[in-house]
Amino acid sequence: DAKTTQPNSMESNEEEPVHLPCNHSTISGTDYIHWYRQLPSQGPEYVIHGLTSNVNNRMASLAIAEDRKSSTLILHRATLRDAAVYYCIFTYNQGGKLIFGQGTELSVKP
Amino acid sequence: NAGVTQTPKFQVLKTGQSMTLQCAQDMNHNSMYWYRQDPGMGLRLIYYSASEGTTDKGEVPNGYNVSRLNKREFSLRLESAAPSQTSVYFCASSEFSGIGFSGNTIYFGEGSWLTVV
Repeated sequence: DAKTTQPNSMESNEEEPVHLPCNHSTISGTDYIHWYRQLPSQGPEYVIHGLTSNVNNRMASLAIAEDRKSSTLILHRATLRDAAVYYCIFTYNQGGKLIFGQGTELSVKP
Repeated sequence: NAGVTQTPKFQVLKTGQSMTLQCAQDMNHNSMYWYRQDPGMGLRLIYYSASEGTTDKGEVPNGYNVSRLNKREFSLRLESAAPSQTSVYFCASSEFSGIGFSGNTIYFGEGSWLTVV
C-alpha cells in the first residue's frame, strides 16, 4: 500500500525555519516524492518534488534520506501565508495514481 | 490561463437526485483526476483518467461514474446521491500518468462543495 506517515500538526513562529517530516517506507525505486499544500478553502497546490537528490525551489527545499524511506520539507522562513495542510505523497509504481494521506496542519504564529 | 475549471462551485441535492460535476483543463494535459475531501480529512481519489479514452477506479469509486469526454473534459456523475456523498470535490490534471509516472505536477481546480440532504 502506498502510504506516507506525517505528524498531524506542527507549529512554527513567523520567520523561523520549519522542517516537516514524512515517512514513506514502502516507496519504490522509481517513485518520486511530491509535496503539496492546501490553503483553507482551496485546492491543493504543488510545492516541490524529488527522486533521490535534495531539491530546492523558490518555495521550499526537499531533503530526501539516503535510503529514500523518509523526506523532510523545509520552509526556510515561515510566513503567516504558509499556514496550510502539507501533504507528502508518492505515486504507485503502476498507474500513476497519487494517493494523499492525512497531511500535516502547519500553524504559524506571529 | 484558467488552468482547471470546475462547475458548479456549490450544489445542494436531495437524496436520490442525480447530478454531474463538470471539469475542464486548458493545459493540454493527458491525465485527469477526481478527488473528494470530507471535513478534516485528506483527499481521496475517486476515479482517474490516464489518457483520453481510459478511466480507472481510485480508492472510493462506489456511487460514482465518470466520462472522459475529450482530452479537455472529465465529468463526474452521481446517479443517486446519498448523504454520505456530501463532500468537497476536486478535479485535477497532469501532463502524464501511467506506469512509470514520476514527477509531473498535478494542478487542482478550486473545488465543488456538494451537500446531499
